[in-house]
Amino acid sequence: NAGVTQTPKFQVLKTGQSMTLQCAQDMNHEYMSWYRQDPGMGLRLIHYSVGAGITDQGEVPNGYNVSRSTTEDFPLRLLSAAPSQTSVYFCASRTSVGTDTQYFGPGTRLTVL
Amino acid sequence: GDSVTQMEGPVTLSEEAFLTINCTYTATGYPSLFWYVQYPGEGLQLLLKATKADDKGSNKGFEATYRKETTSFHLEKGSVQVSDSAVYFCALLYNQGGKLIFGQGTELSVKP
Repeated sequence: NAGVTQTPKFQVLKTGQSMTLQCAQDMNHEYMSWYRQDPGMGLRLIHYSVGAGITDQGEVPNGYNVSRSTTEDFPLRLLSAAPSQTSVYFCASRTSVGTDTQYFGPGTRLTVL
Repeated sequence: GDSVTQMEGPVTLSEEAFLTINCTYTATGYPSLFWYVQYPGEGLQLLLKATKADDKGSNKGFEATYRKETTSFHLEKGSVQVSDSAVYFCALLYNQGGKLIFGQGTELSVKP
């Protein structure tokens, strides 16, 4: 099992550019989520999905889109990057919404100039 | 709303010192509580958990007890090592809704 994988590891964007952060898991987990990590603020939930075809907003969804067409993949899209989106992004998954052990990917460090 | 508060870091200790990282929570029900650890350049890993009041979670010499009366879940280790240097996150989870709520993290640095 590869677990939760994320690509790319590092990315630099200019303001206004778009990009997609990739996340995949091979554990057949129903529940997947995206967080951003900023100094002194812990991890904040951006979007989550309880299964293929179902997504919902978390605490800080503005500026981000997600979709879940397959169980394995949960990409995060930035439509028009802003400097405030400079952060480290983590994807996570767990078996279902009712289970508690969550597995995290290694993260993507994004800088928006 | 529900929230988790951790003691501010960074915490700097000498090897073999005793560690306490305080964590308190605000919640309307009976959440599960977690400690996650993030080593430099890596994602978060589950360190330990407790799912009901008075449960004690333990792993790798770390312990934390779910105290409902004080709404706390303090992390302790009797003798830290340099390899314990990391950022530690306290978190809570309600099964219904399934959102994991994190504290701000506490950086621990252990010196030889």
